[in-house]
Amino acid sequence: GAVVSQHPSWVICKSGTSVKIECRSLDFQATTMFWYRQFPKQSLMLMATSNEGSKATYEQGVEKDKFLINHASLTLSTLTVTSAHPEDSSFYICSARDPFGRDRDQPQHFGDGTRLSIL
Amino acid sequence: GESVGLHLPTLSVQEGDNSIINCAYSNSASDYFIWYKQESGKGPQFIIDIRSNMDKRQGQRVTVLLNKTVKHLSLQIAATQPGDSAVYFCAENPAFNKFYFGSGTKLNVKP
Repeated sequence: GAVVSQHPSWVICKSGTSVKIECRSLDFQATTMFWYRQFPKQSLMLMATSNEGSKATYEQGVEKDKFLINHASLTLSTLTVTSAHPEDSSFYICSARDPFGRDRDQPQHFGDGTRLSIL
Repeated sequence: GESVGLHLPTLSVQEGDNSIINCAYSNSASDYFIWYKQESGKGPQFIIDIRSNMDKRQGQRVTVLLNKTVKHLSLQIAATQPGDSAVYFCAENPAFNKFYFGSGTKLNVKP
C-alpha cells in the first residue's frame, strides 16, 4: 500500500530555532499533501494544503510566515516552523493523496507524525 | 480548521462485544466522510468511508451509518478485539482537498 514517511519523528530544540519537517511519499507521486497539527488528547487540525509546484493554501488562523511549506517535488513536502516557541510544541502530521495508484480510493495516506518539543 | 475537541471521551467495552462510536459533523455541504483509527504516537489509519448518497456501508467487522438530517455518523465495530483499542476520529470533506476531523473517541477494549 501507499507509504508516507515523516522525518524526524521527534525533535527537541531551543526557543527561537527554526525546525524543518519532511514528508515523503515513498512509492507514489503526490501532487497534493496536507499538514495537520494535533495537541495532546485533541483532534487533528488541518493547517495547510501543499500543492506541488505552487503555493500552499493555508487554513484560516494559520500564519503562513510562521509555518513555511515547500512542495518542490512530487514526493516531498516540507514544513518549516520558523522561530519556534514553546506554544508551537505539538504533534505535526502530514498526509498525501495517491489519486492514480492502487490505493486511489483512499482520500489520503498519513505519515506517523513528528513530535516537536520547544524548550 | 473546524470541529476541534477539548477532551477525549472514552468508550470501554468488553472483548467480543460490539462497539458503537458516534460523531457529529458540522458542515451541511460535506458529501464524503471517513473514519480513522489512531494508535498512540502514530498517524491515522483509514478504516471505512461513505458518500452522502448512502446511509450505510459495511466493511470487514465495521459498519458506518450516516444520518444527514441530523449530521451524524456512527461507526459500529463487531466483536471488538483488544487490537481495536485506539482513538477513533470521523472526518468530513466539505470541499475539494479539505478534510476536517471530529473530536475523537478513545476506545478501550477490556480483555
